[in-house]
Amino acid sequence: GAVVSQHPSRVICKSGTSVKIECRSLDFQATTMFWYRQFPKQSLMLMATSNEGSKATYEQGVEKDKFLINHASLTLSTLTVTSAHPEDSSFYICSARLFGTDTQYFGPGTRLTVL
Amino acid sequence: AQTVTQSQPEMSVQEAETVTLSCTYDTSESDYYLFWYKQPPSRQMILVIRQEAYKQQNATENRFSVNFQKAAKSFSLKISDSQLGDAAMYFCAYTWGGGSEKLVFGKGTKLTVNP
Repeated sequence: GAVVSQHPSRVICKSGTSVKIECRSLDFQATTMFWYRQFPKQSLMLMATSNEGSKATYEQGVEKDKFLINHASLTLSTLTVTSAHPEDSSFYICSARLFGTDTQYFGPGTRLTVL
Repeated sequence: AQTVTQSQPEMSVQEAETVTLSCTYDTSESDYYLFWYKQPPSRQMILVIRQEAYKQQNATENRFSVNFQKAAKSFSLKISDSQLGDAAMYFCAYTWGGGSEKLVFGKGTKLTVNP
């Protein structure tokens, strides 16, 4: 139980294009999902908290207009990197909080490379 | 401020032996939860063990156990009978009640298991 999927697992795009990453909770409802960014050999950095049906809450320093988050259902959240640039290249990980608990379950991550 | 400190960037252990990973945290909250997550080379974050602060009994999951010292704000992970598959980055994490839901991560400890 508590499986979270992410799609795509890898994406390469050209500078200036937009990329959408999907995060799905497969076997449970997640009222809250989280998006993280992880640089090589570093810990996870929380980007934003996404609540179903409401606007995402972004961490300080994260550009809301560049990283668009939509949480339209209890099982799906999307992260769109708009006008991507090489500095946006990173590993992006989502997690979903099992409703009624304090525990987050993580997706397998998406490696974004912007050329 | 809530912080999590993992003082051991790297650790190594011989297969079948026991290793302990350290974690300390700083909080003024009374209601909180502690976690250890494992991130193998695949980069999938896997929940290893969870501890509720109000519970005095140390959590155990098969070969994994914690030593939770609330007064000292210490939450170490013990891995018994280490296996090659235990090799990974281990992250200590903390969240608190009151609807915050954020996970605060330590910087991680890279565990190597030697055959």
